[in-house]
Amino acid sequence: GAVVSQHPSWVICKSGTSVKIECRSLDFQATTMFWYRQFPKQSLMLMATSNEGSKATYEQGVEKDKFLINHASLTLSTLTVTSAHPEDSSFYICSPGQGASLNYGYTFGSGTRLTVV
Amino acid sequence: GENVEQHPSTLSVQEGDSAVIKCTYSDSASNYFPWYKQELGKRPQLIIDIRSNVGEKKDQRIAVTLNKTAKHFSLHITETQPEDSAVYFCAASGGTASKLTFGTGTRLQVTL
Repeated sequence: GAVVSQHPSWVICKSGTSVKIECRSLDFQATTMFWYRQFPKQSLMLMATSNEGSKATYEQGVEKDKFLINHASLTLSTLTVTSAHPEDSSFYICSPGQGASLNYGYTFGSGTRLTVV
Repeated sequence: GENVEQHPSTLSVQEGDSAVIKCTYSDSASNYFPWYKQELGKRPQLIIDIRSNVGEKKDQRIAVTLNKTAKHFSLHITETQPEDSAVYFCAASGGTASKLTFGTGTRLQVTL
């Protein structure tokens, strides 16, 4: 249970363009989705938390107008990196909130390697 | 908010030896402590976890201990093998739908 599908697995884009990353929960309903970013040789840092049907909550220092999050349904959350720059190159990974029982622990999408050139 | 510190940042052991990685956390409300193994370019893989109502948990060669009073938890890997080489992260959360706060990671290298 608690399978999350994340796409694309890797993307290369030009500076100034936008990239959308999708995370779909396949066998359960995710009311919450955590979005993490991991720079090379560093830890996973939470960027924002998306909630189905409401505005996302952003961590300090993360620009909400640059990293647009949409959580329109219980099975889909998206992260759009707008006007991407080389410093946005990173590994982006989603993780759904598990609800009250934590039966499945935390699961993660397979990650998206973004390279901005 | 929660702050998780992890030591050491790198660890090299010989095959067959034990490896210990230690973490401390700051938020006494945290009650769930997972450990992840991450290989290059891959998602973190849960290897073991412990909840605050348990002091120790073991799964074959891997064990985790938790000291709630001191806010410490540790990962123990015995009889290390080359395939144990990876980056390991500890994490802490308040459970339910709470976010995970990760430690800084430990690069473990098991040499022959």
